[in-house]
Amino acid sequence: KAGVTQTPRYLIKTRGQQVTLSCSPISGHRSVSWYQQTPGQGLQFLFEYFSETQRNKGNFPGRFSGRQFSNSRSEMNVSTLELGDSALYLCASSFGGETQYFGPGTRLLVL
Amino acid sequence: DAKTTQPPSMDCAEGRAANLPCNHSTISGNEYVYWYRQIHSQGPQYIIHGLKNNETNEMASLIITEDRKSSTLILPHATLRDTAVYYCIAYNQGGKLIFGQGTELSVKP
Repeated sequence: KAGVTQTPRYLIKTRGQQVTLSCSPISGHRSVSWYQQTPGQGLQFLFEYFSETQRNKGNFPGRFSGRQFSNSRSEMNVSTLELGDSALYLCASSFGGETQYFGPGTRLLVL
Repeated sequence: DAKTTQPPSMDCAEGRAANLPCNHSTISGNEYVYWYRQIHSQGPQYIIHGLKNNETNEMASLIITEDRKSSTLILPHATLRDTAVYYCIAYNQGGKLIFGQGTELSVKP
């Protein structure tokens, strides 16, 4: 069974721009969670979607948003990028929230 | 969500067992003990999880104390490829994993 895939793998943007990251979960999984990893803050939970509905949300500003499609694929969007948004963005999928399996991540650099 | 405490770093000789401790004294009854590891800049890899009983799979063994306040992850024969940051997480399977700082395990030849 194919694992979680994330696109793109690397991205360079400038301050003020917006970015959209994509995550395809393992086949049959309906829950997708997103995390941000930075050297200073470690791995932090952004939000979780289940059956196209946001079920959990972390403590991030409204510039960070997401959505999930009917095929369980998910996207996250960051608007008005700041230098501090430079990070590894990880998504993880599970059937309904239990054991989460992570993708390889998207490394975002904001200049 | 319960907080977990792990030593920041540990060393292990190649071929020996690596025993990684985790304290989760405030864990609630519906929270499982999960272990993940992250090899540099890759996505975290699921290792094992348990609720009350000890668990074993092809990667590792998980020993949970009877009072559930602490646990130990055991890698029976550590190799250089086991060098990674190991995270112990008390998780209610609700979609939100809370990662601490983890233990940086260095396996040395």
